[in-house]
Parts: sequence; structure tokens; C-alpha cells
Amino acid sequence: NAGVTQTPKFQVLKTGQSMTLQCAQDMNHNSMYWYRQDPGMGLRLIYYSASEGTTDKGEVPNGYNVSRLNKREFSLRLESAAPSQTSVYFCASRGQGSEKLFFGSGTQLSVL
Amino acid sequence: GESVGLHLPTLSVQEGDNSIINCAYSNSASDYFIWYKQESGKGPQFIIDIRSNMDKRQGQRVTVLLNKTVKHLSLQIAATQPGDSAVYFCAENEERNSGGSNYKLTFGKGTLLTVNP
Repeated sequence: NAGVTQTPKFQVLKTGQSMTLQCAQDMNHNSMYWYRQDPGMGLRLIYYSASEGTTDKGEVPNGYNVSRLNKREFSLRLESAAPSQTSVYFCASRGQGSEKLFFGSGTQLSVL
Repeated sequence: GESVGLHLPTLSVQEGDNSIINCAYSNSASDYFIWYKQESGKGPQFIIDIRSNMDKRQGQRVTVLLNKTVKHLSLQIAATQPGDSAVYFCAENEERNSGGSNYKLTFGKGTLLTVNP
């Protein structure tokens, strides 16, 4: 039981490049989330998927897109990376009826 | 929207001492609170949670206290160990409905706890 798995762990991009961050959970959770973490800012919600087939914007969605591929997988895409997207990205999941989030180990992204 | 804040950004304690990490919240509608521990290079890890119908909840070496009158939350760690060194976040759920899109967990900025041997 791996929990929430994120890939890659590290990534360096040039401005304008695109990439997809992958996330998968094996806990049969309905809801999945993408957060970014910046120094002094705490965790901010980018997008979430309350259930398979649905996605919604969070607090800071600009510059990102998401896909809930199936119940297990929720990906985050940067179409044209900008230096302001340099951050650590965390995926999380939550089971039905629970308010507890389970987090992955994060992806450290640098945009030059 | 309202957000959770922390009184102190850093806390340094001696090994074996008790630690108290504080958190203030401003949304009186929040009815669920949770503490996470984040070690360097890792994702946040659940420590303990509490609902607004409780004042205190205890776990293994940790206790969470909730004072709804002054909108204050604290995490107490007994006999602090070097392995407790981490950033601690509190978070609140602003909506009672945890079933789907009404769920919104808002995080504070975190407190760095350093345990000196």
C-alpha cells in the first residue's frame, strides 16, 4: 500500500516548456487535490477533483490544467511554464466521508 | 476568504521538554481542525485532528486543544525528541459538508520546530 505517489520528484524546465505532473493513489479515495507550496505562503490549492469525472478550480488555478484520468490518477499540466510556477507541488487524496488529506512526497519544480 | 494563521514562525526547544505550537483561526464557521507535520523534503503527514464539539483530544505524545471562544488551537508535544523537528501546519475545514465540492481545507503558514539535543 503505497498511498499517494507522485512523479517526478524533481524537474527543471525552461520558460515556455510544458510538462505534466503525475499523481496516483491506491486507497480507493474519491477526492484528489493539487497544492503548491511556496516559502512563507503555506499550501495553496490549485485544482481538485471531488470525484471521478469532475474537476474544479482552487485558489490559484491560473497557468494550470488538470485531468482526472480515472479514480486512481489525477494529473497536473503546465502548458507554458513560467518562473512564477517554481514551487513544490503536492498531490493529496481524501476518502468519502473523511476530512483527512493524505499527501504525496511532492515534486520540486524549477522554471528558469 | 478567511485563513488560518500562526502566532510564531519558529520554536526552539530542548530535547525532553514539552512543546506548544499555537494557531489562530478567524472563521467561526469552521468545525474541523487538523495538524500536519512536514519533515524536510517530505509531504505533510497527519498528526491529529479535532472537531469543534470537542475541547481536547489526545494522541500518542500529542494533544490538541481547541478554544472556540478565542478561536485558538494548539498542539502540545510531550517529551519532545529530535525526530519531532519539522514544520507543523494547522488547517481548518470551512464547510461542514465533507462529501464533495463544499470541502475546503485551509492551511496556515506553518511553524518550524527545532529540537536541540
